[in-house]
Amino acid sequence: DSGVTQTPKHLITATGQRVTLRCSPRSGDLSVYWYQQSLDQGLQFLIQYYNGEERAKGNILERFSAQQFPDLHSELNLSSLELGDSALYFCASSAAHGDIEYGYTFGSGTRLTVV
Amino acid sequence: SQQGEEDPQALSIQEGENATMNCSYKTSINNLQWYRQNSGRGLVHLILIRSNEREKHSGRLRVTLDTSKKSSSLLITASRAADTASYFCATAKGAQKLVFGQGTRLTINP
Repeated sequence: DSGVTQTPKHLITATGQRVTLRCSPRSGDLSVYWYQQSLDQGLQFLIQYYNGEERAKGNILERFSAQQFPDLHSELNLSSLELGDSALYFCASSAAHGDIEYGYTFGSGTRLTVV
Repeated sequence: SQQGEEDPQALSIQEGENATMNCSYKTSINNLQWYRQNSGRGLVHLILIRSNEREKHSGRLRVTLDTSKKSSSLLITASRAADTASYFCATAKGAQKLVFGQGTRLTINP
């Protein structure tokens, strides 16, 4: 157990639907990062939050959004789902906002299948 | 586009042999990190090397960094079946997020 909790572990949904992925960071970590991993694109950075505020944005589609709540857990919302959104979605956390001292701690991921 | 590019994409060796994976990157960095991912699981942080360091060891792992060539290598000595996994390098610059390469898939044959 890495200390980063992601739910659900698996999700199967139909095209056009909306889903919410949830992440609880490791205790004490203020930064949360979301990554998408697919076979053809590798690990793609989506978005970062630090202590409730958005800090960096990557290749995140407009159909996707995220937020970090006061208790530091984060949710990634994916809407108008397409077949190509099928992927593993990882959440990672770190203590730092600046120079990354010790690396990220990853959750075990949510496997999203869009049918 | 990815910052780090691993080489080779796949590597298959016999148990007990050493495994070497390489990573090249494009821009200046503060540090470079290596992660391991078992099939379908989350990534596990292995080792971090700062831009002012040339070599670092952790158990059976040895990482080198050549900032002039913008490259790094990860050596796993005396490989074991449990080392079978994908290995990713990731680069960091200041407060920016980690950017991962495409990974090397390592298979250790018994």
